Amino acid sequence: TQLLEQSPQFLSIQEGENLTVYCNSSSVFSSLQWYRQEPGEGPVLLVTVVTGGEVKKLKRLTFQFGDARKDSSLHITAAQPGDTGLYLCARALNFGKGTSLLVTP
Amino acid sequence: NAGVTQTPKFRILKIGQSMTLQCTQDMNHNYMYWYRQDPGMGLKLIYYSVGAGITDKGEVPNGYNVSRSTTEDFPLRLELAAPSQTSVYFCASSLSPRGTGYYEQYFGPGTRLTVT
Repeated sequence: TQLLEQSPQFLSIQEGENLTVYCNSSSVFSSLQWYRQEPGEGPVLLVTVVTGGEVKKLKRLTFQFGDARKDSSLHITAAQPGDTGLYLCARALNFGKGTSLLVTP
Repeated sequence: NAGVTQTPKFRILKIGQSMTLQCTQDMNHNYMYWYRQDPGMGLKLIYYSVGAGITDKGEVPNGYNVSRSTTEDFPLRLELAAPSQTSVYFCASSLSPRGTGYYEQYFGPGTRLTVT
C-alpha cells in the first residue's frame, strides 16, 4: 500500500479566503485523482492528473501535479460555503485520509 | 442514469446478526468495489471485482464476503456482525483502468451501519 499523506487534516476558513491543501507520497505516481465528499454523501471525482507539472482548473479550483509526480496540491480561490466537504486524494485504489474543509459565511 | 445505488441507507444490527448490503450500477462498468470509511481514517478497500464471476480481497476483507453474478450487482455480505464493523460502507464502480492506466471511480451514497 502506497501511503498518501494529506495536509492539513482540518481547515476552517471564512467565505472569500483562498486555501491550498496538499497530497504527498514518497513514491512516484503514474496518476492521481482528487475527490470531494460532502457530508452524508459518497465521494465525487473532481479531476485526474497524469503528467508531471500538469495544472488543471475546474472553476475556482486549481489542481497541480508535482514535477516529480510525488505530490499534488489543490488550491481554491475565493472559497464559498458550498466548497465545504472532505477532499480526498487517491492513487489507484488507495486513498489519503483527507482534508476536512469548513467554509463559513 | 441512476449511477451507483446502495440499499439500505441506514441499518442497526445486533452482534452476531448477518446482513447483505446491496449495490447496483447502471453504467455498464466492469469494475466494482466496496470500501468502508471510519472517522479520520479515509477509505479502506474491502473487496473488488473486475467482472462478473471474479472477485478479490482488498486491504480489510475479514468478516465480509462478496459475490458478482451480474455486471450490475455487487452485494456485500456481513456474517456474524461485530462492533468493529460499525462504519459507513461505500460501493463504487469504474471502467477498466487498462485503457487509461488509472481508476476513476463513481461512488454510491453509502450505507451507515451500526453494530451494537
